[in-house]
Amino acid sequence: DAKTTQPNSMESNEEEPVHLPCNHSTISGTDYIHWYRQLPSQGPEYVIHGLTSNVNNRMASLAIAEDRKSSTLILHRATLRDAAVYYCILSQRAGAGSYQLTFGKGTKLSVIP
Amino acid sequence: DTAVSQTPKYLVTQMGNDKSIKCEQNLGHDTMYWYKQDSKKFLKIMFSYNNKELIINETVPNRFSPKSPDKAHLNLHINSLELGDSAVYFCASSLGTINEQFFGPGTRLTVL
Repeated sequence: DAKTTQPNSMESNEEEPVHLPCNHSTISGTDYIHWYRQLPSQGPEYVIHGLTSNVNNRMASLAIAEDRKSSTLILHRATLRDAAVYYCILSQRAGAGSYQLTFGKGTKLSVIP
Repeated sequence: DTAVSQTPKYLVTQMGNDKSIKCEQNLGHDTMYWYKQDSKKFLKIMFSYNNKELIINETVPNRFSPKSPDKAHLNLHINSLELGDSAVYFCASSLGTINEQFFGPGTRLTVL
């Protein structure tokens, strides 16, 4: 399974940008880079995903290195609600319509008021 | 309107019992998944179904049997429950062509 490496934990002040790094040096050409987050006592929530180009959506931005061996999730203004475990995942197509997400340990983000 | 729902939310049972967890999605998705999150918080894929056909079947004991009666439902039946089965089980769904999974709230299973 393709693997990712993330810091165990990070802290951010409220209303400041947060950059969450992820290394995935063994990524293959067909792997998508996904980010999910899990708030306490909830199921994981999709944040963003990309293949080669940087991506933006209403929740965050994803910056992907040119060699695709690393990526950074950017939260533009951290709020208390953003405190969660953030997972960087490489997804592989598993067959008809199924994508296999292999979760790692993730980064626990704390937001300081 | 809950997108992915699971019942029950909590399940406490004795070793050796058989139990089922139900999952329903009202998103019109064609693929559904079961994940297990253990006490160390690792999330692992167990199964996936696409249009009622089993696609992903990870190394899971035969005591676990998923059943998909239709595209909107994926149930998980567990026979002869063991202490190590205690975990939070998450159901998820996705639309085959879109690379985004929606997760349910989880079912916390405790085996005594």
